[in-house]
Amino acid sequence: EIVLTQSPGTLSLSPGERATLSCRVSQSVSSRSLAWYRQKPGQAPRLLIYGASSRAAGIPDRFSGSGSGTDFTLTISRLEPEDFAVYFCQQFGGSSFTFGPGTKVDIK
Amino acid sequence: EVQLVESGGGLVKPGGSLRLSCAASRFIFSGYNMNWVRQAPGKGLEWVASISSGGTYINYADSLKGRLTISRDNAQNSLYLQMNSLRVDDTAVYYCAREAPQPRRAFDIWGQGTMVTVSS
Repeated sequence: EIVLTQSPGTLSLSPGERATLSCRVSQSVSSRSLAWYRQKPGQAPRLLIYGASSRAAGIPDRFSGSGSGTDFTLTISRLEPEDFAVYFCQQFGGSSFTFGPGTKVDIK
Repeated sequence: EVQLVESGGGLVKPGGSLRLSCAASRFIFSGYNMNWVRQAPGKGLEWVASISSGGTYINYADSLKGRLTISRDNAQNSLYLQMNSLRVDDTAVYYCAREAPQPRRAFDIWGQGTMVTVSS
């Protein structure tokens, strides 16, 4: 069973600052299978990054993804007010999907 | 606008059953794999089940096998989740989600969710 671990659990930052979120996978996976989502309170998740580093349609370029193997990173270059939310990584393996527990980015 | 709209949630007693529906619009529903994802109150996301575009291939989360049945009707542009023997810990918002074309392996469109509450 593949397990995803996200760190930190909570990230307290100010608007305009850079955010770096980590997703660690319990075994090496294909980069094609790693995605990131943002979920604002009371809303459904929204796809940000797929294939570890490709931005989804309509996602601004302040969001970038990187990594390979077991370690992946989501970077938000300059936090906007709408970016204070929870972020989930997701991995596809075998025939199932697994989500990480999430990182909450809140206002410092 | 591409849209998914869930319905069928509500309050049900432990041991009861519920059938969730997801209506798709403004895209070729029959061309996409579809999924259900749930989120318990204040918790993270949990993948529930997936079904291939034609309905041939179906997969379930191991912890939920045997109590759930995912299905689809491409003529009606609809996705379904039949849930039986419901337990208190099945209480969650249930989202339907479209799987982006391979090899992306990500969910690019989500519905707004439907709340299922299991309580006596």
